[in-house]
Amino acid sequence: SQQGEEDPQALSIQEGENATMNCSYKTSINNLQWYRQNSGRGLVHLILIRSNEREKHSGRLRVTLDTSKKSSSLLITASRAADTASYFCAPGNNDMRFGAGTRLTVKP
Amino acid sequence: KAGVTQTPRYLIKTRGQQVTLSCSPISGHRSVSWYQQTPGQGLQFLFEYFSETQRNKGNFPGRFSGRQFSNSRSEMNVSTLELGDSALYLCASSLDSGTGYTFGSGTRLTVV
Repeated sequence: SQQGEEDPQALSIQEGENATMNCSYKTSINNLQWYRQNSGRGLVHLILIRSNEREKHSGRLRVTLDTSKKSSSLLITASRAADTASYFCAPGNNDMRFGAGTRLTVKP
Repeated sequence: KAGVTQTPRYLIKTRGQQVTLSCSPISGHRSVSWYQQTPGQGLQFLFEYFSETQRNKGNFPGRFSGRQFSNSRSEMNVSTLELGDSALYLCASSLDSGTGYTFGSGTRLTVV
């Protein structure tokens, strides 16, 4: 098992702008997941990308996976104040471990 | 469909006591994972159960234990509580690894 390391630790943008956050991991994986957590609540599953996929979309979310670099990125387009949250990646095979996350603040 | 239900939502215990937290997964989900979240340590993996068997375990002392019942409901127990055990405890369920997990709202434990 391994945990992802999200970068940057914090990100502050204006509403309407795009937000990009990155995740790195150390060993090969079967899939990688991204989650969002609003303050003090449970995590919400955003998207799962498998190791044989390079890119995946879900609404305003776009996730890429580069297995050669052992990294993934999450792009949120046209951000909204409601996107303010912490975002976590979980590179996992049989269990999920989380890093410190990226704290995104979207200013109205 | 109903989400992941954790009970109780809030709990206050005294040092030295023990506590049991409950998690009811989404119907049909057989994998249940537990996490501890604190401001200092972030999200820490406790353990994962699948079909009543502990499949993975994090780096927590033996005071932390869990189990899963035949209906996939899970409990975790913390004995001899310490102040540092104060945290948000999150439970997540999934059909199996390789699929997304659904998290409960958590149990906030305060040890005084």
